[in-house]
Amino acid sequence: KQEVTQIPAALSVPEGENLVLNCSFTDSAIYNLQWFRQDPGKGLTSLLLIQSSQREQTSGRLNASLDKSSGRSTLYIAASQPGDSATYLCAVITRGGSNYKLTFGKGTLLTVNP
Amino acid sequence: DTGVSQDPRHKITKRGQNVTFRCDPISEHNRLYWYRQTLGQGPEFLTYFQNEAQLEKSRLLSDRFSAERPKGSFSTLEIQRTEQGDSAMYLCASSLRQDEQYFGPGTRLTVT
Repeated sequence: KQEVTQIPAALSVPEGENLVLNCSFTDSAIYNLQWFRQDPGKGLTSLLLIQSSQREQTSGRLNASLDKSSGRSTLYIAASQPGDSATYLCAVITRGGSNYKLTFGKGTLLTVNP
Repeated sequence: DTGVSQDPRHKITKRGQNVTFRCDPISEHNRLYWYRQTLGQGPEFLTYFQNEAQLEKSRLLSDRFSAERPKGSFSTLEIQRTEQGDSAMYLCASSLRQDEQYFGPGTRLTVT
């Protein structure tokens, strides 16, 4: 059974700092990996999707890497801003027949202090 | 707004009552997913539709839960005889083929 772990569970940083969020998974037979952002009481916003054949993806100040063999992904946020404060969720996508199912970690709660 | 929509956004019900939630996916997306998220946890997969066919159900989906997607468009998730343990955020997502899933804003259920 696929298990996804995110470290740290919570992180508080001053504005402007670069930071790294970690995600690990137990079964390397993944299809893709996706990072999401969730604001309190809200749904999920997709940040980056990394296909299993890729090593990294970038969008603006965000960079996500994937190492399938070691079962790890990192999300790098450059020059953090208070508006980045949210919970960041990592999800691995596995294929079962026609179902491409997401298995999520518990998330990292990020607080960026002005 | 052409994203995934869910209705209602919030539902408070008494234990033992039935509730029904609705999800409207992005119009051209043929795949629809339901997830449940409890406080401090990541979302957990409940069920998956491809067009109108329900192709997979999680063991989390007890007999009190039923989901439908008539005509392969919107979907409904019904919970019968609600229990306090059903209190959670119910999230719907849609996708086209195996592409990334797009999530709706969720329905927060509180069972008193």
